[in-house]
Order: sequence, then structure tokens, then C-alpha cells
Amino acid sequence: AQSVAQPEDQVNVAEGNPLTVKCTYSVSGNPYLFWYVQYPNRGLQFLLKYITGDNLVKGSYGFEAEFNKSQTSFHLKKPSALVSDSALYFCAVRGDNFNKFYFGSGTKLNVKP
Amino acid sequence: EAGVAQSPRYKIIEKRQSVAFWCNPISGHATLYWYQQILGQGPKLLIQFQNNGVVDDSQLPKDRFSAERLKGVDSTLKIQPAKLEDSAVYLCASSLYDYRAYEQYFGPGTRLTVT
Repeated sequence: AQSVAQPEDQVNVAEGNPLTVKCTYSVSGNPYLFWYVQYPNRGLQFLLKYITGDNLVKGSYGFEAEFNKSQTSFHLKKPSALVSDSALYFCAVRGDNFNKFYFGSGTKLNVKP
Repeated sequence: EAGVAQSPRYKIIEKRQSVAFWCNPISGHATLYWYQQILGQGPKLLIQFQNNGVVDDSQLPKDRFSAERLKGVDSTLKIQPAKLEDSAVYLCASSLYDYRAYEQYFGPGTRLTVT
């Protein structure tokens, strides 16, 4: 069965420090991996995706994510967190033998000044 | 480029009443999705359209939920009759094509409260 896990409900980090939001997945076939961010009272916004190629993917607002096939992970990272990065982050996956998006349960990122 | 539009933004109804949500996708996007997002959970796909045909509605509670996409553009999602457990945010999304590499673009959502 296809699934996505975000093991942390909440991540707290100080402004200026690096941040990591974790995501692991389970799919049959090759994974297509996505990160979305959701600000209060707004819809999900696309951040970045991994389709193929370089394992390190760069996206919007200085975010990047590293695809690790052996660990079936796609962790979201940023070298220096901003208070404005505080939001809810969702990892999503599609397998190459189905089209349905499977979303994780979300991780709330709190960046404190 | 205009984003995905949804209305209304908020709706409060009593159980057993009916409600309808509207979505206008990004111009030229062939694929449209409706998701249900319950508080504290990730979005769950309810139905996916390719133009005006249904691709996947396996998680749509068909005894009370219905959706249509006339002329392959706008879409409406209806609940009749509503139950308390339908309280959620209903998100509409669109993508250029129904292809796994394409990301989806989401509207702001409709927050439904059933009392």
C-alpha cells in the first residue's frame, strides 16, 4: 500500500538556525515526491518536487529537499529559518503505477525570533 | 496568472441540510481535484476529473456526495444530507495534465461546519 509518514507533528527552531522537516514514504515503483506549505486560512502552495535526477532538489523560498532512496525519505531542509517560514508543511507522494496523491498528516513548523 | 478560485469561503449548516461548493480552476488546466481536509489531517482525495470525465472517485461517499464538472471547466461539489463528520475544509486543486510529474495548484478552500 502507498503511504506517507511525517513522524513529527511539530518542529520548533530558532530564527537563523537550520531546519529539517522529515518525510518517509512507501510506494510500489518509482516515487514522485512533493512538498507543500499551508499558511493559515490559505490553500496549499507547491514548494518543490522530486521526479528524477539529482537527489538534492531546490525549491521556492530557499527550501530544498533530499531524496534518499535507500531510506525511502524526502526530508525538507532550509539552511537558515525565518519567522515567516512558520506554517504547516505537507509531504505528498505518487507512485509511477498510480496517479493519486497521498498526503502526509502534516508538520507544524514554529520558527521563534 | 489567476489561481484556483473557490466559493464560498465559509459555510455553516445544520446536519441533514444540503450544501454546494464551487470551484474555478486555473485556465487551461485539464485536471481538477476535490479534497477533504479534516482538522489535523492531510488532504484526502474525494474525486478527480480529467476534462469533464471522472478519473477517480473511489473515496467519494456516493450516498451523500456528488460532483460534476460541466464543459470541463468549473466544478461543483454537493453534500446532501450533511453529517457532523463532514465538517472539514474542502479544497479544490487543478493541474495542467493528469500526469504524475505535474504538481497541483490549490484554491483557498471552503471551511464547512456542520452543527
